[in-house]
Amino acid sequence: AQSVTQPDIHITVSEGASLELRCNYSYGATPYLFWYVQSPGQGLQLLLKYFSGDTLVQGIKGFEAEFKRSQSSFNLRKPSVHWSDAAEYFCAVDGGTDKLIFGTGTRLQVFP
Amino acid sequence: GAVVSQHPSWVICKSGTSVKIECRSLDFQATTMFWYRQFPKQSLMLMATSNEGSKATYEQGVEKDKFLINHASLTLSTLTVTSAHPEDSSFYICSARDEKGGYGYTFGSGTRLTVV
Repeated sequence: AQSVTQPDIHITVSEGASLELRCNYSYGATPYLFWYVQSPGQGLQLLLKYFSGDTLVQGIKGFEAEFKRSQSSFNLRKPSVHWSDAAEYFCAVDGGTDKLIFGTGTRLQVFP
Repeated sequence: GAVVSQHPSWVICKSGTSVKIECRSLDFQATTMFWYRQFPKQSLMLMATSNEGSKATYEQGVEKDKFLINHASLTLSTLTVTSAHPEDSSFYICSARDEKGGYGYTFGSGTRLTVV
């Protein structure tokens, strides 16, 4: 069955530390891949997306993600986290079904 | 960039009444829009795919008669929660796909529905 997995429900980092949020998917072919961020009570903001080409994708707010076909992963990274990055992060996949399926989300907490 | 406006941002209604939520694509045309439901501290669950000029496609387990979707134009989709009950209280988010602008999915800001 098609699925999106975010293994980490909750991550806590210190401000200035590096960050990596994991995302794995299960689809037959390479899907379209997305990372979104959601602040409490708000909608979703697109951080970055991957369709094809260069497997390292740059996004907004200093985020990047790397697509690794061999690992079926699309992990999100940021070299130095800011307190304002505290939010819920969702990995999402369009596996050719013309609809977006979300992972369970990772809540990021940032300590000063 | 692509902008999706969702209205209202929050609504409180009495049990048994109906509530309509609007989703508009402001600067692009969207033949396809999507409606999601999100419970507190949980992920987004796709409820239905809204297709302009045709019937919506509902995900398994979603009551079609409870959640009426209308996509009458290329910029507007509406979700009506009929005969609302407290268990329908949730955060509803719409999304539109900008097929000409890089095939991205843009989300509205969500509607917090509370049924009392």
